[in-house]
Amino acid sequence: GAGVSQTPSNKVTEKGKYVELRCDPISGHTALYWYRQSLGQGPEFLIYFQGTGAADDSGLPNDRFFAVRPEGSVSTLKIQRTERGDSAVYLCASAPQAGEGETQYFGPGTRLLVL
Amino acid sequence: KQEVTQIPAALSVPEGENLVLNCSFTDSAIYNLQWFRQDPGKGLTSLLLIQSSQREQTSGRLNASLDKSSGRSTLYIAASQPGDSATYLCAAHSGGSNYKLTFGKGTLLTVNP
Repeated sequence: GAGVSQTPSNKVTEKGKYVELRCDPISGHTALYWYRQSLGQGPEFLIYFQGTGAADDSGLPNDRFFAVRPEGSVSTLKIQRTERGDSAVYLCASAPQAGEGETQYFGPGTRLLVL
Repeated sequence: KQEVTQIPAALSVPEGENLVLNCSFTDSAIYNLQWFRQDPGKGLTSLLLIQSSQREQTSGRLNASLDKSSGRSTLYIAASQPGDSATYLCAAHSGGSNYKLTFGKGTLLTVNP
């Protein structure tokens, strides 16, 4: 079956612009996570959705970052007034539900470069 | 706050060697620990998940162990192959209701033919 997909695969933008990154989770997965991976680092948690609601957004670095999941499936991560420090790989993961034995399945990521 | 450390940061071995990758975590109150593989420019592929009640998991040439009391996990790769070359990441599932992952920085493994 289809895995987690993310679009675009690469995004180059200029400082100050607005960007949207999309995640299509595995069908039927209720839990969805966004992570950010900077060069040479492990992924860092940004936000978690259970269904349509953001159950934990404690990892979002500031109020320029926002994410939605209006119908409980596709999610969009939105970044306003981008800065060069936002350059990273943005990874999305989904799981059947949030639970002890649940594996998170990751998408290929969106590589964002802010010039 | 959970912190995950992986050593070594990089490892180069000849083909056929058995090897061990190490992972340590500061908060032993984890729900499970997961090992991932990441190829250059790619996403993460889950290798093994060890639940908190388990001590180890095996998949083919891979064996992962978990010692919660000491805050350690190891990934053992038997008879390494050039195709095993990748970055290996361990991640701890935190407590609470969101089960977010806290990752280490990874070990870059190169298996030379």
